[in-house]
Amino acid sequence: DQQVKQNSPSLSVQEGRISILNCDYTNSMFDYFLWYKKYPAEGPTFLISISSIKDKNEDGRFTVFLNKSAKHLSLHIVPSQPGDSAVYFCAASDPLSTTGANSKLTFGKGITLSVRP
Amino acid sequence: DGGITQSPKYLFRKEGQNVTLSCEQNLNHDAMYWYRQDPGQGLRLIYYSQIVNDFQKGDIAEGYSVSREKKESFPLTVTSAQKNPTAFYLCASSIADRARSPLHFGNGTRLTVT
Repeated sequence: DQQVKQNSPSLSVQEGRISILNCDYTNSMFDYFLWYKKYPAEGPTFLISISSIKDKNEDGRFTVFLNKSAKHLSLHIVPSQPGDSAVYFCAASDPLSTTGANSKLTFGKGITLSVRP
Repeated sequence: DGGITQSPKYLFRKEGQNVTLSCEQNLNHDAMYWYRQDPGQGLRLIYYSQIVNDFQKGDIAEGYSVSREKKESFPLTVTSAQKNPTAFYLCASSIADRARSPLHFGNGTRLTVT
């Protein structure tokens, strides 16, 4: 059973426009969410996180929105740049406040973002 | 320059042979992890270690073994018991196994077993 779903395998966006990457989850116990970015032949790098006590977290061009009632989160990239072209993984974990948040992470399958110049 | 080093980048083995993947970190992180990625799949946890001399099975530990004798090192052995060993293997570390302690990944080892 896939608890973290990234239903769109790919997304293509024009440079300068907004990229919206979606992620849905089924486990209501998840309370800590992260996005990782991965270039080909490299390991993922941490991008941004959000805990369930917030509905928005912003870091420069990247904003993550969390809708707990819909069990949905999204990553917004504004403006999109060609260097943003990569695979983006959504990950979720529980519980926020105790040891084991990382070893309990569940990853989605990833979305391949292509930003066209 | 701190980071995680995985070696080799590509590894080829014959079926029935054990193979050990190296992972070294100089970030002074307590926690280390091994993940496996298959095409079109998310990352799946094989083993993790929250502290030196201790490790725990992840979601798909069968056919794998690890050791954590030094804080900096967390080698993964893919044994002949692993039924589908061909995959991309990622090692990661974090300050601790807790929230707000993001994973730092190495660049991976692509293992091909024929």
